[in-house]
Amino acid sequence: DIQMTQSPSTLSASIGDRVTITCRASQSISSWLAWYQQKPGKAPKLLIYKASNLESGVPSRFSGSGSGTEFTLTFSCLQPDDFAIYTCQQYDSYPRTFGQGTSVEVK
Amino acid sequence: QVQLVQSGAEVKKPGASVKVSCKASGYTFGSYDINWVRQAAGQGLEWMGWMNPNSGNTGYSEKFQARVSMTRDNSITTAFMELSGLQSDDTAIYYCMRRLPELEFDSWGQGTLVTVSS
Repeated sequence: DIQMTQSPSTLSASIGDRVTITCRASQSISSWLAWYQQKPGKAPKLLIYKASNLESGVPSRFSGSGSGTEFTLTFSCLQPDDFAIYTCQQYDSYPRTFGQGTSVEVK
Repeated sequence: QVQLVQSGAEVKKPGASVKVSCKASGYTFGSYDINWVRQAAGQGLEWMGWMNPNSGNTGYSEKFQARVSMTRDNSITTAFMELSGLQSDDTAIYYCMRRLPELEFDSWGQGTLVTVSS
C-alpha cells in the first residue's frame, strides 16, 4: 500500500498568513493526488484534484502543486473560514490511502 | 445538484452486522463508482472499498475483505455497505462518496455514525 505522510500535524496561523502543508507519498503517484478540507461534524470537501486543479467553487487563495512523491497545499492569505483539517489522498492505485490530516488552528 | 443521503445512526452489539445505505440523486447513478470510507473519532480517513453501480463489481480493502459487502439497488439509486462481525473498534462515522474519473471523491454523503457497544 502507498503510505501518505503529511506535515505538520498541527499548524497555528493567523488571518492573512501564507500557509503551506506538505504531503509525501511512499512511492511515485504521478499527479494523482487530492486535497480535502474537513470541518467539525461535517464530511470532507474536495478542494484540489490531480495535484493542482481547483475544484469548482473553491476560492483561488487555495493552490496545490507537486508531482511524483512530494506535494504541497498552499493558502495565499488565510481566512477565518479556512480553519479546519486538511487531508491528502492518493488515487494512483488501490487501496486508496489518506494522509493523517493537518489541523490548521488559530494562533 | 448531486446529493448522497445516508441512513441514520446505528447502535450495534459486538458480533452483529450493520447495513448502511447511501441514496444518490442529481446524476446518473450507474455512471460513477461509489466508494466507502470510515473515520473513527479524532482519527483520519480509512478507505474500505468501491462498487460500480452499473456492473455490481466491487473492490475491497484487504483489511475488510472478509467481512464487508457493497451492493446496490439501481431501481432506487441506492448503494449499501454491510459490515459484519462488528467490534468496538468499528465504532466510527461511515461515509459514501461518488468517484469521478480524474477528480476522485467529489461528492460525499453526510456520514452515518455506527456505535458498537455491549
